[in-house]
Amino acid sequence: QKEVEQNSGPLSVPEGAIASLNCTYSDRGSQSFFWYRQYSGKSPELIMFIYSNGDKEDGRFTAQLNKASQYVSLLIRDSQPSDSATYLCAVKGGTSYGKLTFGQGTILTVHP
Amino acid sequence: EAGVAQSPRYKIIEKRQSVAFWCNPISGHATLYWYQQILGQGPKLLIQFQNNGVVDDSQLPKDRFSAERLKGVDSTLKIQPAKLEDSAVYLCASSPGGSGGLDTGELFFGEGSRLTVL
Repeated sequence: QKEVEQNSGPLSVPEGAIASLNCTYSDRGSQSFFWYRQYSGKSPELIMFIYSNGDKEDGRFTAQLNKASQYVSLLIRDSQPSDSATYLCAVKGGTSYGKLTFGQGTILTVHP
Repeated sequence: EAGVAQSPRYKIIEKRQSVAFWCNPISGHATLYWYQQILGQGPKLLIQFQNNGVVDDSQLPKDRFSAERLKGVDSTLKIQPAKLEDSAVYLCASSPGGSGGLDTGELFFGEGSRLTVL
């Protein structure tokens, strides 16, 4: 079982729709969860992080965490063509120097 | 504030040759990471430094890869000898690290060093 697994892509949505990205993790001791966006040929950049069960909203982005199910998701509302990128789920281990483990990424394409 | 600096941006070598990548983290960041990102995959952690010390190198192929962090600041990642499967982007990242609850865990990435092994 992979440590961090994301839903297989690519994912294609029309402009204005909601894009849903999912991620599961294996380490029950994980404490922090991150969503990074990576444009082609660029480095990852942080979109959001979440620590507690429930939802966290930031503009058009909502992160959802369910520790019991070991599940993290990212919703993008009113998707724009500029949201087209690879989205990486990352999970930080529970130790004080816990490493950040990334999933394989989901490619999102928003078409006009 | 200056970001994470990496060099070179691009490197093409033949298999069995050696290569070195350099990284200068954000000033004051205690934690430095080297990730390998193969095309179409997520970044894979190779090594994590906390100040001068290594806290995780479990996925570093130690027979060919080595890394050091000089005086807790700059870091160098070396590959010798290189194999075809080492073709990837090598990402350096840093974070404030340490205790005190100031570190959100966010990593700040450099632009990466793209290695092609022929």
